[in-house]
Amino acid sequence: QSALTQPPSASGSLGHSVTISCTGTSSDIGGSHYVSWYQQHPGKAPKLMIFEVSKRPSGVPDRFSGSKSGNTASLTVSGLQADDEADYFCSSYVARNNFVFGTGTKVTVL
Amino acid sequence: EVQLVQSGAEVKKPGESLKISCKGSGYSFSTHWIGWVRQMPGKGLEWMGIIYPDDSETKYNTSFQGQATISADKSTTTAYLQWNNLKASDTATYYCARRRDHNFDYWGQGTLVTVSS
Repeated sequence: QSALTQPPSASGSLGHSVTISCTGTSSDIGGSHYVSWYQQHPGKAPKLMIFEVSKRPSGVPDRFSGSKSGNTASLTVSGLQADDEADYFCSSYVARNNFVFGTGTKVTVL
Repeated sequence: EVQLVQSGAEVKKPGESLKISCKGSGYSFSTHWIGWVRQMPGKGLEWMGIIYPDDSETKYNTSFQGQATISADKSTTTAYLQWNNLKASDTATYYCARRRDHNFDYWGQGTLVTVSS
């Protein structure tokens, strides 16, 4: 199972928005309702931000939103704050207890 | 409160064995899958495998099959990741994470494993 493809970096100005893409295949993202997004600050464990393409866990601000079209999922962070600067990883459930992560995107808040 | 607490950092030599742990608390440990994720220095997350503590059913990423062994002891609510012949390329931070449905909702703090002669 190959890693899902994400852009290495993305940036947006404070208060503005940034969108990160995550591209897979029909065997993972394209065929799955189960796309998740994780935020990871340096030296910290990942944190679940989005699950099942567009749902937010309790406590995650509604500035974070997810979507999917075909084999590509996207995470949008609106109203960028300084603390949103982190690495973001997408993930897809593949079937039969298999998972795959994305290559990761470093988000910089300008 | 759900918590996954991992064992501390390790420094090992190539060829040595190692077993790191992940203790769960605050939830029904036996009935939630636990996954292991590798993060090599400066790199992304890689899913290694997953175990169901109640019956120890295990599924490995084919890329990691035979490289490390996942186990669990439901009596002590602890999951393990074990190597019998460490290589320098095993140097990484390893995370355990609780599976909820088709994602991982709680993560351990990570265990840094350094393999160097």
